[in-house]
Amino acid sequence: NAGVTQTPKFQVLKTGQSMTLQCAQDMNHEYMSWYRQDPGMGLRLIHYSVGAGITDQGEVPNGYNVSRSTTEDFPLRLLSAAPSQTSVYFCASSYSRHMNTEAFFGQGTRLTVV
Amino acid sequence: KQEVTQIPAALSVPEGENLVLNCSFTDSAIYNLQWFRQDPGKGLTSLLLIQSSQREQTSGRLNASLDKSSGRSTLYIAASQPGDSATYLCAGSYNDYKLSFGAGTTVTVRA
Repeated sequence: NAGVTQTPKFQVLKTGQSMTLQCAQDMNHEYMSWYRQDPGMGLRLIHYSVGAGITDQGEVPNGYNVSRSTTEDFPLRLLSAAPSQTSVYFCASSYSRHMNTEAFFGQGTRLTVV
Repeated sequence: KQEVTQIPAALSVPEGENLVLNCSFTDSAIYNLQWFRQDPGKGLTSLLLIQSSQREQTSGRLNASLDKSSGRSTLYIAASQPGDSATYLCAGSYNDYKLSFGAGTTVTVRA
């Protein structure tokens, strides 16, 4: 049982480059989300999805796009990387869209923008 | 805005001592509260989930309580071990599809 899988684990980008962070879950979860974790600021929600074809913005969506074409996958796209996007990114999933069930997290992607 | 606070930011105890980790939240309309463990460079692992209708949850040496009226949750870890050293985060869920996280308490258990 793989759970939530994120790739890549590490990435260095130059300012202005774009890239996609991949997230896949094999638990048939309705709900998926992306968080970023910064020192002293905790985890902040970027985007979330309550099912295939449905996405919405979280607290810090600017500079990021998402799509949810299948239940399993929820990629996060950085459109034009900026140093302020240097962070650790976590993908999470939960069985229920209402977050009243346990949340499962991936191992994270550590992104550095230079 | 829902705010979740964890104090202290860091805690060091000798092996065998019981750990008490605190979490406070500003909005009593909480749906549930989850406690997570995060090891350095790793993702978050869910430890306990307490629904708003529950007062506590237990799993092995871990016990978490929830008091909505006072806006507090406490995670107790009995007979701490060096392997318990990690950062512990609490997160509240409200009816808006997100978890509101505290900044975490980093625990060191000294052998």
